Amino acid sequence: DAGITQSPRHKVTETGTPVTLRCHQTENHRYMYWYRQDPGHGLRLIHYSYGVKDTDKGEVSDGYSVSRSKTEDFLLTLESATSSQTSVYFCAVSGRLGTDTQYFGPGTRLTVL
Amino acid sequence: GQQLNQSPQSMFIQEGEDVSMNCTSSSIFNTWLWYKQDPGEGPVLLIALYKAGELTSNGRLTAQFGITRKDSFLNISASIPSDVGIYFCAGQRETSGSRLTFGEGTQLTVNP
Repeated sequence: DAGITQSPRHKVTETGTPVTLRCHQTENHRYMYWYRQDPGHGLRLIHYSYGVKDTDKGEVSDGYSVSRSKTEDFLLTLESATSSQTSVYFCAVSGRLGTDTQYFGPGTRLTVL
Repeated sequence: GQQLNQSPQSMFIQEGEDVSMNCTSSSIFNTWLWYKQDPGEGPVLLIALYKAGELTSNGRLTAQFGITRKDSFLNISASIPSDVGIYFCAGQRETSGSRLTFGEGTQLTVNP
């Protein structure tokens, strides 16, 4: 258990509305990641962070932004949600144990109507 | 896009049977990881491999880091109903920093 929580766990929203998902960790991991999981695509990296205020894009970053103002929190924002962003979103962390092994949170199921 | 080819995509087996799944790539990886995901939950790390040729066991699970550094396999012996889930391989390339590349997963069903 890497002490990761995600909130909310479930959300239903409408197209065009802003949505923010939160990932919180309690074990001082340096790196944090946001993935989305869709049938037939596995886990795809959206954005990641390698330190406070240091973030970079993953392979499917269009339509998403992130912020990391403190070590323990990593926020994922959909500025204007679209139906194609309906997915399960996972946060992951790594780095505290000196390896690149990533540990995952429980996920957030987002439905955009 | 995905750079790891994971196979098979799904498996239907009887309780007690052994299972084998693998991941291959055209790229070299420095680390191979195997995760299991239960319905409604996040992936959980099963085995981590850090050296080419490394063979590591975790209970009934055995995984190997291919000698070419381009592949890995996972074996499950004497399967039980709680082995049901999706198994993912993941690799870390030398040029990707801390980022991982994931396979598309193997859906395992175990019939009692």
